[in-house]
Amino acid sequence: GENVEQHPSTLSVQEGDSAVIKCTYSDSASNYFPWYKQELGKGPQLIIDIRSNVGEKKDQRIAVTLNKTAKHFSLHITETQPEDSAVYFCAASKGNAGNMLTFGGGTRLMVKP
Amino acid sequence: EPEVTQTPSHQVTQMGQEVILRCVPISNHLYFYWYRQILGQKVEFLVSFYNNEISEKSEIFDDQFSVERPDGSNFTLKIRSTKLEDSAMYFCASWRGGNTEAFFGQGTRLTVV
Repeated sequence: GENVEQHPSTLSVQEGDSAVIKCTYSDSASNYFPWYKQELGKGPQLIIDIRSNVGEKKDQRIAVTLNKTAKHFSLHITETQPEDSAVYFCAASKGNAGNMLTFGGGTRLMVKP
Repeated sequence: EPEVTQTPSHQVTQMGQEVILRCVPISNHLYFYWYRQILGQKVEFLVSFYNNEISEKSEIFDDQFSVERPDGSNFTLKIRSTKLEDSAMYFCASWRGGNTEAFFGQGTRLTVV
C-alpha cells in the first residue's frame, strides 16, 4: 500500500521567514495530495491541495509543489506569522478527497515572534 | 461555515467495554469516514461509508469495529470490546463528492483503561 513520509517532524522559524515541509510517497498511482493544518483541540483542516496534473499551486502565502517523477511534494509558507504555528500533515490518495487518505507523520511548526 | 461535529470530545472507558463514538457529518455530504491517530503516530484510515454500506476498510477495522448511520444525520463508530491499544484520537470526516474537499471533525479522544 501507499506510504507517506514527512520531514521535518518539528520546525521552528522566526516570524517573517519561510517554512518548507517535504513529503515523499511510494505509490505512483496516487494523484491527489492535500495538506492539512491541525490546531490544538481541532481536527485537520485543508489548507491547500494539488492534483498530479499540475506541478505547482499557490494560494496567497501558501504554495505546494509536486514532482511526480521523484514522488515528492512540498508545502511552502512564506512570511510566516505566529498564527501559522500548528501541526501540518501531508496526505496522498488515488483519486480525490473522498478516497482513502494516507497521511504523513506530521510537522509541528513553531513561528517565533 | 458548515462543520463536522463529534461527540463526546473525550471518552474514558474500561477495557472490554463497548463504546460508541458519534459524528454529525455536513448535511449534504454523501461519503463518511473514520480515521484514528494513536498518540505520536500517523493518522490512519479506518473505514469509508457510502449509500448505507462500507465502501472501503483498512486492516485495522476488524470485527470489533462497526459503523452505522442510524438516521439521516448521525454516523457512528462502535467498538465492541475495547482494548488498551484502541486508545487514540478518532476523527470523523465527510465529503460531498466531486472535486470538493473532505471535512474533518475535531475528534474524540478515546482512553481505554
